[in-house]
Amino acid sequence: QKEVEQNSGPLSVPEGAIASLNCTYSDRVSQSFFWYRQYSGKSPELIMSIYSNGDKEDGRFTAQLNKASQYVSLLIRDSQPSDSATYLCAVNRDNAGNMLTFGGGTRLMVKP
Amino acid sequence: EAGVTQFPSHSVIEKGQTVTLRCDPISGHDNLYWYRRVMGKEIKFLLHFVKESKQDESGMPNNRFLAERTGGTYSTLKVQPAELEDSGVYFCASSQFGGPEAFFGQGTRLTVV
Repeated sequence: QKEVEQNSGPLSVPEGAIASLNCTYSDRVSQSFFWYRQYSGKSPELIMSIYSNGDKEDGRFTAQLNKASQYVSLLIRDSQPSDSATYLCAVNRDNAGNMLTFGGGTRLMVKP
Repeated sequence: EAGVTQFPSHSVIEKGQTVTLRCDPISGHDNLYWYRRVMGKEIKFLLHFVKESKQDESGMPNNRFLAERTGGTYSTLKVQPAELEDSGVYFCASSQFGGPEAFFGQGTRLTVV
């Protein structure tokens, strides 16, 4: 079992729809959770971080965390073609800046 | 403010040669990390510096890889001698001291032929 699992996709949604990206992790002591967006050939860009159970909203993005179920998700409202990218889920065992464990990423395609 | 910068962006070398990758972190970031993504796999941790000290090098694959961060500023990752399986994209990231949010560079794509 991988430490951080994501469906590789591609996940295809029409423009304006809600895109839902999911991630599960195996290490119960994980404390901090991140979503990175990566365009082809570019650097992973941090778009959301979440540390406690519940929802965290930032613009069109909402991160959801459920530690009991070891599940973190990212919702993108009003999806735009420019949101088409690979979304990486990353998990940290603490909040002190140690190593991240990444999932393989989900490729999102938003069709006009 | 400049982000994390890496040099070179691409490198093609022959098996057995040496390659040195460089990373300049965001100014003021004490934490510096090296990660690697090989074809078809997820991004994997290599090592973590806090200033000039190696905090965690548990991800370094073998002793052909040597990372340094003299003076606690930029870092280099040397692969000597390179093998075919070393091909991949090497990412550098940095974060503030005590801060979990890491910011990544654009990566160096290494191809060993």
